[in-house]
Amino acid sequence: RKEVEQDPGPFNVPEGATVAFNCTYSNSASQSFFWYRQDCRKEPKLLMSVYSSGNEDGRFTAQLNRASQYISLLIRDSKLSDSATYLCVVKEAAGNKLTFGGGTRVLVKP
Amino acid sequence: DAGVIQSPRHEVTEMGQEVTLRCKPISGHDYLFWYRQTMMRGLELLIYFNNNVPIDDSGMPEDRFSAKMPNASFSTLKIQPSEPRDSAVYFCASSLHGSYEQYFGPGTRLTVT
Repeated sequence: RKEVEQDPGPFNVPEGATVAFNCTYSNSASQSFFWYRQDCRKEPKLLMSVYSSGNEDGRFTAQLNRASQYISLLIRDSKLSDSATYLCVVKEAAGNKLTFGGGTRVLVKP
Repeated sequence: DAGVIQSPRHEVTEMGQEVTLRCKPISGHDYLFWYRQTMMRGLELLIYFNNNVPIDDSGMPEDRFSAKMPNASFSTLKIQPSEPRDSAVYFCASSLHGSYEQYFGPGTRLTVT
């Protein structure tokens, strides 16, 4: 079983709609959680950290459920520029190692 | 400010040849990471350094792979001999102590024929 699992998609989303997707992680000792974004043939970039109480950054909302060991990302009012692969990332308590999920591909269409 | 710099951006080589990938981290960052990304396996951590010292190399696939960081501004990942299954995009990333945000370079797309 992979340490961090994601639905690969693609999620085809009409422009202006809301899309949400989850990621599950297997290590209950995981300490920190993030969403990274990767555009086609580009490098990953940090989108947002995920806090225990949930957090928003503009149109993006991230949630963490430690009991069920999953993280979610919701995108409201989707823009064409939101088309990308979203990588779920987990960090264990010790060290600086990040573990990346396989990514969820989102395609926003007019 | 310059981000993480990687060279070459593309490399095509024949099986059995030696390949050397290069990385210059962001100035002042004390962590450096090497990743490999393929469609099948996603983004995998190969090795990471802290203050030029290798901390975790458990992701290095086999003895054909080696990495060095002779100083704070330069690292290499070497594959010798290369095999077709090594074809992937290799990313270098750096981060600052106390921050979990990793800054990735543009990657090196390696094709081994």
